[in-house]
Amino acid sequence: QVQLVQSGAEVKKPGASVRVSCEASGFTITAYYMHWLRQAPGQGLEWVGRIAPSDGAIHYAQRFQGRVTVTMDTSANAVYMELSSLRSEDTAVYYCAREPPERTYFDYWARGTLVTVSS
Amino acid sequence: IVLTQSPDTLSLSPGERATLSCRASQSVRSSSLAWYQQKRGQAPRLLIFGASSRATGIPDRFSGSGSGTEFTLTISRLEPEDIAVYSCQQYGYSPPGFTFGQGTKLEI
Repeated sequence: QVQLVQSGAEVKKPGASVRVSCEASGFTITAYYMHWLRQAPGQGLEWVGRIAPSDGAIHYAQRFQGRVTVTMDTSANAVYMELSSLRSEDTAVYYCAREPPERTYFDYWARGTLVTVSS
Repeated sequence: IVLTQSPDTLSLSPGERATLSCRASQSVRSSSLAWYQQKRGQAPRLLIFGASSRATGIPDRFSGSGSGTEFTLTISRLEPEDIAVYSCQQYGYSPPGFTFGQGTKLEI
């Protein structure tokens, strides 16, 4: 069955970078768009960015441009998100999620990775 | 596009009907409007896509409607397991990206 498994929780200091991985099983990532989203404590969901593994096309939310990098490894059937210049406001649960191409919704989500930014 | 959900919290009894609203600051394509359910400590689950189509495995107690700037999620015959935060989501084309409402917390 479809599964998305993310790497474990991280604690980082302000100014550092964090890399979160998302390994897919039960489907091939090249047939879908793969997204990263986040949810700060007690807040709503926020879209971070997307990669289309079929052609490598990447889109980022404007507010994260320059700080986020989304990559993929098709041989590992995995996607990755790196967020740099971390600040306390980046403390959140980060999710990877799958979008059927151009359907504009997320049909499967991983359980999320808590990233805590604290000095 | 900003999505504003109302009410923030909805308290109802089992068997009652819940009506959750999602209002957009500009017109949204119905094909790009979705609803999610998020139970405490869990990832969101897709309920409705294309404004009114139920996702796989979603009971027919859940229905979506609306167009333009006004969308509604209706849960008929509430069950205790429906306790969750419900969020609407849209995709915009200029600039391209996704936005979510702030969520409605459903208490039963």
